[in-house]
Amino acid sequence: DTGVSQDPRHKITKRGQNVTFRCDPISEHNRLYWYRQTLGQGPEFLTYFQNEAQLEKSRLLSDRFSAERPKGSFSTLEIQRTEQGDSAMYLCASSGLVSSYNSPLHFGNGTRLTVT
Amino acid sequence: SQQGEEDPQALSIQEGENATMNCSYKTSINNLQWYRQNSGRGLVHLILIRSNEREKHSGRLRVTLDTSKKSSSLLITASRAADTASYFCATGMNSGYSTLTFGKGTMLLVSP
Repeated sequence: DTGVSQDPRHKITKRGQNVTFRCDPISEHNRLYWYRQTLGQGPEFLTYFQNEAQLEKSRLLSDRFSAERPKGSFSTLEIQRTEQGDSAMYLCASSGLVSSYNSPLHFGNGTRLTVT
Repeated sequence: SQQGEEDPQALSIQEGENATMNCSYKTSINNLQWYRQNSGRGLVHLILIRSNEREKHSGRLRVTLDTSKKSSSLLITASRAADTASYFCATGMNSGYSTLTFGKGTMLLVSP
């Protein structure tokens, strides 16, 4: 399967702990996105990479969140000092450079975070 | 913040019936996309319509776009139980990078 893969699928952590999620995009895709989705809502944009450069971050992304894509391949999303409000599904997506804007996104199955 | 808003929030139909979902958005767009999400899974891209297009078909799917009304509709014909899922519209803006903004979705239930 050469789709987008995310690890882990589920993560339960206690408030105040740090967590890190990994995303492996489709290999030939140079764009990688992180979204967050809570129950009954659509995905909410967090951040976007083109190759290894982080080109956009949501204003909603607090300083406790950091994302990296060190070699332009896989990406990690770290949340420091987790809060109960961080409980959500964290979705990674990738796309290729087909046109100037808005190629279709290929999503992974997400990492579900529960903060207790 | 979410740019698109789907209507209805939930839709329940019988197999074989058609399902229509609507999406309204606020600012000018470059394109609009529809995605499907099965429970607990990631989103799957269904169809993309550019701002200069008015209608597009893909199999049992028909999408329309009215930029003057800032709205789009997704029609699924001859629905099947396997179409049960949440459906989201996502808009791409005319400027900036290629991030998409998603609506809250329509939950479709197709009963056998």
